[in-house]
Amino acid sequence: SQQGEEDPQALSIQEGENATMNCSYKTSINNLQWYRQNSGRGLVHLILIRSNEREKHSGRLRVTLDTSKKSSSLLITASRAADTASYFCATDPWGDYKLSFGAGTTVTVRA
Amino acid sequence: DGGITQSPKYLFRKEGQNVTLSCEQNLNHDAMYWYRQDPGQGLRLIYYSQIVNDFQKGDIAEGYSVSREKKESFPLTVTSAQKNPTAFYLCASRNPGQYNNQPQHFGDGTRLSIL
Repeated sequence: SQQGEEDPQALSIQEGENATMNCSYKTSINNLQWYRQNSGRGLVHLILIRSNEREKHSGRLRVTLDTSKKSSSLLITASRAADTASYFCATDPWGDYKLSFGAGTTVTVRA
Repeated sequence: DGGITQSPKYLFRKEGQNVTLSCEQNLNHDAMYWYRQDPGQGLRLIYYSQIVNDFQKGDIAEGYSVSREKKESFPLTVTSAQKNPTAFYLCASRNPGQYNNQPQHFGDGTRLSIL
């Protein structure tokens, strides 16, 4: 079942701008993960944030997690054309081997 | 180079035919997964396997079958009972690690179409 819901569904920005997308979920989680998918390719893992963490950085990526609101955000700073892709959040429940993926946010970065 | 290899990249199925999608990993991961992705949608879990010779149904297992005879291999068969098989199929693997805090690694997918 799909637990994560991303918002917005699509985002178009100019190169150099920041892109922010949000993920909401329904049940308790062990961790939340963000993935990127380029057109016609598999998913690539970006960041994993544990339930006891509030913020995490990796290069130009910043992820926040608010377990009280059951929500997470992914910020891409200083976007580049190569950031054009779909971005998915996935929730990892306690005691389960399965991830639940949202429908994704499609990001287009215009040159 | 460690990773997951899916083959073929493109596959066409005739009516009433079973087809098998291959997934091989050399990451030494215990768990493997099959997902289906329809245009503009997220991933839906078909089957998963936590260990060799064991697998469980996911959310949309009807019309599909799997086997896990070797740790590195997890083939998916799309049977004739699956009436709408046209989709992008993704295979993934992971080792849960301590407290399950490990990401999944994905192959590059197989696109299946009906002839």
